Amino acid sequence: EIVMTQSPATLSVSPGERATLSCRASQSVSNNLAWYQQKPGQAPRLLIYGASIRATGIPARFSGSGSGTEFTLTISILQSEDFAVYYCQQYKNWPPLTFGGGTKVEIK
Amino acid sequence: EVQLLESGGGLVQPGGSLRLSCVASGFTFSNSAMSWVRQAPGKGLEWVSTISGSGGSTYYAESVKGRFTISRDNSENTLYLQMNSLRAEDTAVYYCAKRPGITVAGHWDFWGQGTLVTVSS
Repeated sequence: EIVMTQSPATLSVSPGERATLSCRASQSVSNNLAWYQQKPGQAPRLLIYGASIRATGIPARFSGSGSGTEFTLTISILQSEDFAVYYCQQYKNWPPLTFGGGTKVEIK
Repeated sequence: EVQLLESGGGLVQPGGSLRLSCVASGFTFSNSAMSWVRQAPGKGLEWVSTISGSGGSTYYAESVKGRFTISRDNSENTLYLQMNSLRAEDTAVYYCAKRPGITVAGHWDFWGQGTLVTVSS
């Protein structure tokens, strides 16, 4: 099973600043990685797939990078609606499909 | 507009059974692999099960294998999860999620709002 590790667990950022979230895989997943955003009481929303491809309707301030075992989600200029929990997910080797533990982006 | 509407959650005793449903609309259901993903209260996301568009291939997490059964009725645009021998650790919000294509492995581009399953005596 591929273990996904996200860091930090909580990120405190001021609106208008940049947020950088990390996701590490226990073995290479190539570019088979997705990022999701989840707000309280809501379902996850797809942000990025293929490590760097923005999903339909996702603003350009969200960008994904990386391959192999190290991945980054960057939110270039944080808006108030971006405060949420973010999860990475690998789909290279399965079953099982696995998620990271999440990074909570909170207002500083 | 894609919509996924789950139902069937509720309170059940340990050892009991429940069947979850997810009614889909706004896309060609039979062309999409579908999955169930769950989230225990205050915890992260956990993949539970996936089924191919035809229903001919199914996949399960080890934690539910032998107890849960995923199925679909493409004539009714409905996904199911039959859950037997439920345990306290199965307590979670269960989401159905849609793959953007026929391949079974990958990301999910739409998620339902979820249905809460509580296993408790």
